[in-house]
Amino acid sequence: SQKIEQNSEALNIQEGKTATLTCNYTNYSPAYLQWYRQDPGRGPVFLLLIRENEKEKRKERLKVTFDTTLKQSLFHITASQPADSATYLCALSFSGGYNKLIFGAGTRLAVHP
Amino acid sequence: GAVVSQHPSWVICKSGTSVKIECRSLDFQATTMFWYRQFPKQSLMLMATSNEGSKATYEQGVEKDKFLINHASLTLSTLTVTSAHPEDSSFYICSAKQGNEQFFGPGTRLTVL
Repeated sequence: SQKIEQNSEALNIQEGKTATLTCNYTNYSPAYLQWYRQDPGRGPVFLLLIRENEKEKRKERLKVTFDTTLKQSLFHITASQPADSATYLCALSFSGGYNKLIFGAGTRLAVHP
Repeated sequence: GAVVSQHPSWVICKSGTSVKIECRSLDFQATTMFWYRQFPKQSLMLMATSNEGSKATYEQGVEKDKFLINHASLTLSTLTVTSAHPEDSSFYICSAKQGNEQFFGPGTRLTVL
């Protein structure tokens, strides 16, 4: 069956450390993988998109890797801050059609001072 | 840029009544909008794809006669939950497509008593 798996347990880290979140998927062949941030009671906010032919993408303190062989993406936040505390969602999208997104359940990150 | 609004942000209604939720792209035109539903601690589940000037495409298991979607202009899509029941209580989120990206609204919390 098709699945997108993110660690359901909350990730607790100390301020200043690097947070690493994992997204694994099975029985999908996405053209794109996206990461979103969602705060409680709010809609998701787009962070980064990586294409199937890209290995790594960076944006400020954020880095995403995409391994289509392992069917895995890693999302890193360096020099983490308490303001980074939120739920992070990965989403797959596919070429053609309307580019609809299939979301994982998200991982909650808590950065402690 | 790329701001999407939803109205109302929350609504409480009695069982059996209908509720309309609006989704607007404020600073861009969107031929395609999407409607999602999110239950607590779960992922966003795509309900339907809304295309301006044509019928919406519903995901498997979503009743099109219960969740009426109208996309009458390039900046507005509406979702009407007809004859709402307590099990329809959820967080409803829309998004508007621009290029390969989707921009999400802030969500509407529906509670059916």
